[in-house]
Amino acid sequence: QKEVEQNSGPLSVPEGAIASLNCTYSDRGSQSFFWYRQYSGKSPELIMSIYSNGDKEDGRFTAQLNKASQYVSLLIRDSQPSDSATYLCAVNDYKLSFGAGTTVTVRA
Amino acid sequence: EPEVTQTPSHQVTQMGQEVILRCVPISNHLYFYWYRQILGQKVEFLVSFYNNEISEKSEIFDDQFSVERPDGSNFTLKIRSTKLEDSAMYFCASGLGTDQETQYFGPGTRLLVL
Repeated sequence: QKEVEQNSGPLSVPEGAIASLNCTYSDRGSQSFFWYRQYSGKSPELIMSIYSNGDKEDGRFTAQLNKASQYVSLLIRDSQPSDSATYLCAVNDYKLSFGAGTTVTVRA
Repeated sequence: EPEVTQTPSHQVTQMGQEVILRCVPISNHLYFYWYRQILGQKVEFLVSFYNNEISEKSEIFDDQFSVERPDGSNFTLKIRSTKLEDSAMYFCASGLGTDQETQYFGPGTRLLVL
């Protein structure tokens, strides 16, 4: 199983701030990366995917990929209380290998 | 918007009993997956299924587990003789199959083995 490592948190940020989440992966050959959000007791829900080095923005979310450093990150801008969840980094090589997740709490 | 559905949402069973978890994948998807998440742990891949056969399976997916697509819509996971350590949330997912394609998850079945 490919290793995917995330800061476990919890990460507490005030409402309106930027939350920064990090992920590293072990297989240099990995090409496809996904961020999922998981509310307690619920299933993973896709936030975004990234395949190329650099930044990819989707609304308040920005994913960053650096394949040389084997590093993926997710920025959540203007954090809202509804963003409070566990964020899962996943590497896709025809099956998903997940990190343990980073729990984010947005303080109102 | 199409979605993956799973039944039952909760299942309680006695150790040693057989359970069948059911999933209806998104209709135009070709690849089907089962994952599990033990409480407080990471989501783990169990098995992938394509063209009526297993594509890949993990070490967790031993002889106690089997999958089947009995008709054109359902995808099932059977655990033949449940153990206490099988207690977990089981997620079905489906996708179009390339490594760049998103896998969409169902709501999960919470299995409790007593």
